[in-house]
Amino acid sequence: DQQVKQNSPSLSVQEGRISILNCDYTNSMFDYFLWYKKYPAEGPTFLISISSIKDKNEDGRFTVFLNKSAKHLSLHIVPSQPGDSAVYFCAASAMDTDKLIFGTGTRLQVFP
Amino acid sequence: EAQVTQNPRYLITVTGKKLTVTCSQNMNHEYMSWYRQDPGLGLRQIYYSMNVEVTDKGDVPEGYKVSRKEKRNFPLILESPSPNQTSLYFCASRASSTEAFFGQGTRLTVV
Repeated sequence: DQQVKQNSPSLSVQEGRISILNCDYTNSMFDYFLWYKKYPAEGPTFLISISSIKDKNEDGRFTVFLNKSAKHLSLHIVPSQPGDSAVYFCAASAMDTDKLIFGTGTRLQVFP
Repeated sequence: EAQVTQNPRYLITVTGKKLTVTCSQNMNHEYMSWYRQDPGLGLRQIYYSMNVEVTDKGDVPEGYKVSRKEKRNFPLILESPSPNQTSLYFCASRASSTEAFFGQGTRLTVV
């Protein structure tokens, strides 16, 4: 059973516009959520995180929103740049297990 | 520089020939884990370790072994590799309730 789901395998956005990547989860025990970016031939790199006590966290062009009642989080990238083209994974963990569970990833392509 | 180092980066082997992929971290993290990435399946956890001599199965442990004799090292062992273990493997480490740091990946092909 997939506890963390990214239902859009791919997303294409024009440079300068907003990119919105979505993630849903099923386990109400999750209390820490993260987004990772992955380029080909490299390991995933941490992008931004949010604790369940917050509903928004911002870092430069990247903002993560958490809607606990809907068990949904999203990553907004504004403005999108060609260098943002990568696969984005959302991940979640619960304090009691400290285990990170990943979604299946969304491939973002930002075109000029 | 904080890093997770895994070796080798690429490996082609034959069915049944035992192999080990090494992983080392220099951040004194308690928590280490191995993932495999397959198309359409994302990152699936194979094994994890919460500290020295403490290891546990992840979501897809069949066919793999691990050991954690020292805090910095967490090797992944395939005793008898099979073609369905052809995949891209990542080692990761983290301190409790923080982000995980990943290695560069090992692309394994079993023929």
